Formats: sequence, C-alpha cells, structure tokens
Amino acid sequence: DVKVTQSSRYLVKRTGEKVFLECVQDMDHENMFWYRQDPGLGLRLIYFSYDVKMKEKGDIPEGYSVSREKKERFSLILESASTNQTSMYLCASRSQGTTYEQYFGPGTRLTVT
Amino acid sequence: AQKVTQAQTEISVVEKEDVTLDCVYETRDTTYYLFWYKQPPSGELVFLIRRNSFDEQNEISGRYSWNFQKSTSSFNFTITASQVVDSAVYFCALNSGGGADGLTFGKGTHLIIQP
Repeated sequence: DVKVTQSSRYLVKRTGEKVFLECVQDMDHENMFWYRQDPGLGLRLIYFSYDVKMKEKGDIPEGYSVSREKKERFSLILESASTNQTSMYLCASRSQGTTYEQYFGPGTRLTVT
Repeated sequence: AQKVTQAQTEISVVEKEDVTLDCVYETRDTTYYLFWYKQPPSGELVFLIRRNSFDEQNEISGRYSWNFQKSTSSFNFTITASQVVDSAVYFCALNSGGGADGLTFGKGTHLIIQP
C-alpha cells in the first residue's frame, strides 16, 4: 500500500512565525503535491514537484515556498505565517507511470493565531 | 483552463436509499483523466476511481457505480442502497495536459446518510 505521512495532524503557530510542513512518501513516487483545503473552496494546488530539486507553482503559491531535497520528502514552508493561511494542508504523491491517481496523506490542520 | 463543478453542496438521504452525486467538468484537452475521492470525517482522501477520456464504459464496484458521458461532460457517481458508513465528503477531480500537473478539484458534495 502507498503510504503518505505528514509530520503533524494539528499545528498552532503565531503570526509571523516560519512554519515547516513535512510530507514523506514510501513508494518512490516522482511527483509530489501540496494542496490546501478550505470550506466551500475544495482543494487548491499550492506547489508541486516533478522530481528532486524541481518545483512548480500551482494555483495559489503566494506566501508559500517548497523544498524537495530527497525524492521521498516534500516540504511546504510558510515564510511568515498569516491568519489567512489557517487551513487544512494535504500532501499527495503520484507515480509517473501510466496511472494518474494521487495518494494523499492524512492532512495537517494549521491554525495561525 | 480546467474546471470541475459539483453543484450539490450537501445531500441528505435515509439509509438504503440510492443517491447520485453529480460532476460536470470543463477542459480543452482531448486526453484527460477524471477521478472520484472520498473524504470521511477522519480527513484523509481515499481514491475511489479513475477514468480516462477514451474509456466511456460505465463501471460498477459493489454498491458504487459511475456514469461517464463525454457528450454532456459529466462523470456522475451513484451509491446504491446507501449505508451510514458512506457519509463523507466526495470530490470529483480532473487532470489533463499530460498528467504531471496537479488535480483540479470540485468543491465537494457532503453526503449525509441518516439511519
């Protein structure tokens, strides 16, 4: 089974703090993704990565950055957290094979106060 | 631009009723993939099905069935004889342009199955 893990289920941070959200997958997938989920808005793509050290902006990259130093790990960074970044963050991975479904982690619910 | 519309924000039915969740998509690509995911209260998205644009066959998996119609750009999901455990938020999603990019999700339908 594909396993995607995220470092925290719940996180509370203060405005202005630098926040790291970590995601690890154990299936040697090339592609990894970060989404945020907000009520009434569904899931929106923040950043994705085709492979190690590669990254691409998604639909809402402002206020975020990412890092992919190892194939299995994809980090989302909030350089200076703001209250409008309070959200559920979901990481996903996908094999660059013939199927295109993404496998999701359990999510991190981040609250910025 | 891609777009997925799930017009039903919330549906509530009594257990054992059949229920259909609607999904309408927009894309200019001729090759694309459609997905359904389930998000139970625990929060983790669970992959249910993938369908590519060249395969219009309907699919049945137990109580679940999917109806893909390119003519109406729809990919609807039916649960037969619903159960309380089916209560969740269901998302329809679209991927086109080669597959490497992220998924475009609809806003989800919250399905409530009452005992």
